[in-house]
Amino acid sequence: DSGVTQTPKHLITATGQRVTLRCSPRSGDLSVYWYQQSLDQGLQFLIQYYNGEERAKGNILERFSAQQFPDLHSELNLSSLELGDSALYFCASSVEGYFLQETQYFGPGTRLLVL
Amino acid sequence: DAKTTQPNSMESNEEEPVHLPCNHSTISGTDYIHWYRQLPSQGPEYVIHGLTSNVNNRMASLAIAEDRKSSTLILHRATLRDAAVYYCILQKQALNFGKGTSLLVTP
Repeated sequence: DSGVTQTPKHLITATGQRVTLRCSPRSGDLSVYWYQQSLDQGLQFLIQYYNGEERAKGNILERFSAQQFPDLHSELNLSSLELGDSALYFCASSVEGYFLQETQYFGPGTRLLVL
Repeated sequence: DAKTTQPNSMESNEEEPVHLPCNHSTISGTDYIHWYRQLPSQGPEYVIHGLTSNVNNRMASLAIAEDRKSSTLILHRATLRDAAVYYCILQKQALNFGKGTSLLVTP
């Protein structure tokens, strides 16, 4: 158990809908990262927040957005969903959020299926 | 960005050592080499990381070539629980996982 929690575990929705994925980082970690893992693309970095502020952006679509709240939990919002958005979404956390040598701790993921 | 190259898959017998190679010929001086693994149906898990010197921890050892253009993750005695996809990553801007090496451990 990494200490990172994600809800829900599974989500099934229809195209065009909007969903929110939630992540609670490990106690004491200030930085949260979101990743998407699909069969054809592998594990891709989406976005990072540090202490409520966006710190780095990866391959995140404009239809997707995220935020980190004062209690440090984070939400990833996915809107106008398409079939291709079906994937595993992982959240990770780290203490400070400096990529170079900091370990990231991953949650168990949310499996999203768009029908 | 510097990239890594790993074999798609490897196979090992249980209780034998496993050497998982990674090439990163375009590595820069400030790139740390990280290894993560992902067990089936789980999120990635940190294994080990290093910069220049070889590193050991309770999970594995990391051997880094002198020119830093390659590294090897060493599992000293593979167990069935070590069957996973192993990712070698140069942790600079973000964790770019690539496809990794799928390790099969047979009894």
